Amino acid sequence: DAEITQSPRHKITETGRQVTLACHQTWNHNNMFWYRQDLGHGLRLIHYSYGVQDTNKGEVSDGYSVSRSNTEDLPLTLESAASSQTSVYFCASSGEVESPLHFGNGTRLTVT
Amino acid sequence: AQSVTQLDSQVPVFEEAPVELRCNYSSSVSVYLFWYVQYPNQGLQLLLKYLSGSTLVKGINGFEAEFNKSQTSFHLRKPSVHISDTAEYFCAVKGVQGQKLVFGQGTRLTINP
Repeated sequence: DAEITQSPRHKITETGRQVTLACHQTWNHNNMFWYRQDLGHGLRLIHYSYGVQDTNKGEVSDGYSVSRSNTEDLPLTLESAASSQTSVYFCASSGEVESPLHFGNGTRLTVT
Repeated sequence: AQSVTQLDSQVPVFEEAPVELRCNYSSSVSVYLFWYVQYPNQGLQLLLKYLSGSTLVKGINGFEAEFNKSQTSFHLRKPSVHISDTAEYFCAVKGVQGQKLVFGQGTRLTINP
């Protein structure tokens, strides 16, 4: 079965370090998304991509970057981790416009 | 742009009672509407979706939702809840021309025995 996997599931890092969260999907979807989930804010869009070499900023993109070198992967990089970036991060992918998102199981990131 | 408001952050109900989780949206264009469920320590799963056609949409686990265009609402209902329905529920909207999904803040459904 097709799936979307995130790694690691849990990560603890120190302020100022660079961190990369991995996302890999086998749906062959063109569209991929990164969200963060925080209490009281629901899910907020960080970055998204509509295809290889395409990346776009979401509503909370400051301090984050992504790159899309193939269809399957959209890694999320925190250039210099801050305590405000402690959160649960979800990757998702989708096909056509009317298609729902398929989510990974999330990465819980703690920045100390 | 689209926005979503889930009117209740928490909803406690007794087992076997009916439940309604409320969702209102705002959009200047036609939309697709979704409800997702998130169980503890898991990602989000699709419960149901409205794309077009019948305004009453049936989903998994006995849930259904009704699209009301005049009231810009998409409330989620279940006639009889079970302990296993304890989870967080998210309403989401997407413009029919766009690819970005906008989520509400979520409603935590707690089922008491």
